Amino acid sequence: EPEVTQTPSHQVTQMGQEVILRCVPISNHLYFYWYRQILGQKVEFLVSFYNNEISEKSEIFDDQFSVERPDGSNFTLKIRSTKLEDSAMYFCASLPGSRGEQYFGPGTRLTVT
Amino acid sequence: AQSVAQPEDQVNVAEGNPLTVKCTYSVSGNPYLFWYVQYPNRGLQFLLKYITGDNLVKGSYGFEAEFNKSQTSFHLKKPSALVSDSALYFCAVRDRMTGNTGKLIFGQGTTLQVKP
Repeated sequence: EPEVTQTPSHQVTQMGQEVILRCVPISNHLYFYWYRQILGQKVEFLVSFYNNEISEKSEIFDDQFSVERPDGSNFTLKIRSTKLEDSAMYFCASLPGSRGEQYFGPGTRLTVT
Repeated sequence: AQSVAQPEDQVNVAEGNPLTVKCTYSVSGNPYLFWYVQYPNRGLQFLLKYITGDNLVKGSYGFEAEFNKSQTSFHLKKPSALVSDSALYFCAVRDRMTGNTGKLIFGQGTTLQVKP
């Protein structure tokens, strides 16, 4: 069964450094998402991406964040200058069409020290 | 504002007993409703969804959920719990309106503990 993959599984970085989290969505899916889950808290929406552009972003998704789908398969989340409060599990998800369920990747645990 | 509430942080049941994990929502119109499960150090796994039709939906691993429009609830149920069902359960909603980007709004999660 096709699945969403994410790399790395765990990333440790120093405050102020740039990080890129990578995702490979399911190949025929059209909608792509990033969510984050701070330890012990609920899953929060960050950004949605459709037709090669951001379709919606949350208040969390400020100028430090950006997303790209550079080659038609990978879907990346970049944090330009990480802060301690960016430490969280980041989930990528994809959706085949306008209905149905999102398929989530296993997540990348980001630790900012 | 859209919101999802899971009023119980933890639900404890004995193996073999029925379980219910509660979810209520506040979304304009008729949303799409979902349940996901998260095992330790794992991603979110889809369990079931309500899009339209029969209010009782059946999903993976023997789970089911009942959509109640008047009570704006979507409680997750299973007739006979297994120890292996112990995990963190998330209810999520998505606005059905045209042009919606499909983002999910999640509840805070309920830890299900099934004891032998």
